[in-house]
This record gives sequence, structure tokens and C-alpha cells, in this order.
Amino acid sequence: EVQLVESGGGLVQPGGSLRLSCAASGFTFSDHYMDWVRQAPGKGLEWVGRTRNKANSYTTEYAASVKGRFTISRDDSKNSLYLQMNSLKTEDTAVYYCARALRDNWFDPWGQGTLVTVSS
Amino acid sequence: NFMLTQPHSVSESPGKTVTISCTGSSGSIASNYVQWYQQRPGSAPTTVIYEDNQRPSGVPDRFSGSIDSSSNSASLTISGLKTEDEADYYCQSYDSSIYVVFGGGTKLTVL
Repeated sequence: EVQLVESGGGLVQPGGSLRLSCAASGFTFSDHYMDWVRQAPGKGLEWVGRTRNKANSYTTEYAASVKGRFTISRDDSKNSLYLQMNSLKTEDTAVYYCARALRDNWFDPWGQGTLVTVSS
Repeated sequence: NFMLTQPHSVSESPGKTVTISCTGSSGSIASNYVQWYQQRPGSAPTTVIYEDNQRPSGVPDRFSGSIDSSSNSASLTISGLKTEDEADYYCQSYDSSIYVVFGGGTKLTVL
């Protein structure tokens, strides 16, 4: 079964840092681009960023709202994706989903999400 | 920046057909594929349409997608509506073929 499981969410103060993880199973992780998408409470989906695969030099892209503060990385040997979040703001409060990109176009599957709350 | 605009909400009766639009702000929506995701309350999104009009296995053929270049929009059509179709629906495409863009989402009520 193809599966993604996020972890690492929690409560953090403004200005703080947090690292999210996404464990993949049931597919060849190293072949795929992987993305992070977030959803603030009661709001829509917002793309956070992407890491490409080894064949594409593990290059990354970020939404303007997080560029310079968030870093996406991956460890293909551990079938894991990471999101390092620094200088967190209250507006970063959201459920964070990891997702596999298929044919570089569409997301399937999505993880169950992990909640990050930025509050003092 | 490229944006996708969806109606905030739509409603229709069981057994009827509903269409949800997704309009691109600039350029040609046909330049990049459009996907549609269904999200039920408390759950992660799932794909109902990918690459404009393709259905993943397990998605019923009541769901269909199309592109209209003349209006620079994509559409998701759901026929034979069922109460289980009640959910939020998001379109998704790309800006400059690099940056992922989501529409604001449409709440479908089946009443």
C-alpha cells in the first residue's frame, strides 16, 4: 500500500523553529518529486514547496510566503521527506501535508497531515 | 502571479448534475495540466481528476473534467449527484510551469 505519514507537528512560539518529517512506503520514493502543502484552519490549500528527485539534482522550489524561512530536504536511503521551518509566524499555523507528485503534475497520495500551531 | 478562481460554493439536488469552474487569471490555462481534488471534512484531499480529464482508478465515471480555452477555464462536472459527493473541491495547476497553484476551493452541498 502506498502511504505517507507525517510527524513532528506541535505548538511553537513565534520566531521559533520546527522540523516536520514524512515517512513514505509502498513505492520507490527516490523516483518521485515530493511536495509539502498546508491548510490553515478553515481555509483552502496552499502549496509550500517541492523537492525534485536525484535525476533532477534534488532541486527545490518554494512559495513566496515561505522562501528563505523554510527548507525542504529528503533522504532517499530512509524514504523520508523533511520540512525545516524557521522564523515561524502566527500565519504559518496550519495542517501540513506531504504529497507525492505523479508525472510531476498531480498529487497522490497525500499524507494524513500534521498540525503546526504558532502561538505565544 | 497566476491565480485560479473558483466559486465559493455550489449546491444541487441528488441525482442532478453540477459543474464547478476554475478560471485562470492570465495566460492560457491550457498551457499546464489542471487537476481536481476532493476533500471531505477532517480528511486529506484525494484526486478525482488529473491532467485535465483523466480519472484515477476507483473514481467513478460520474466525475469528468474539461478545459475551455475560450474562457480560460477548467471545469469539474459531477453527474448523478450523491450525498457522499458533498465536499470541498480544489483545482490545481502551475504558474510558469514551476510553481504549484491551487484554486480557493468550492464547497459542494448536495441537498
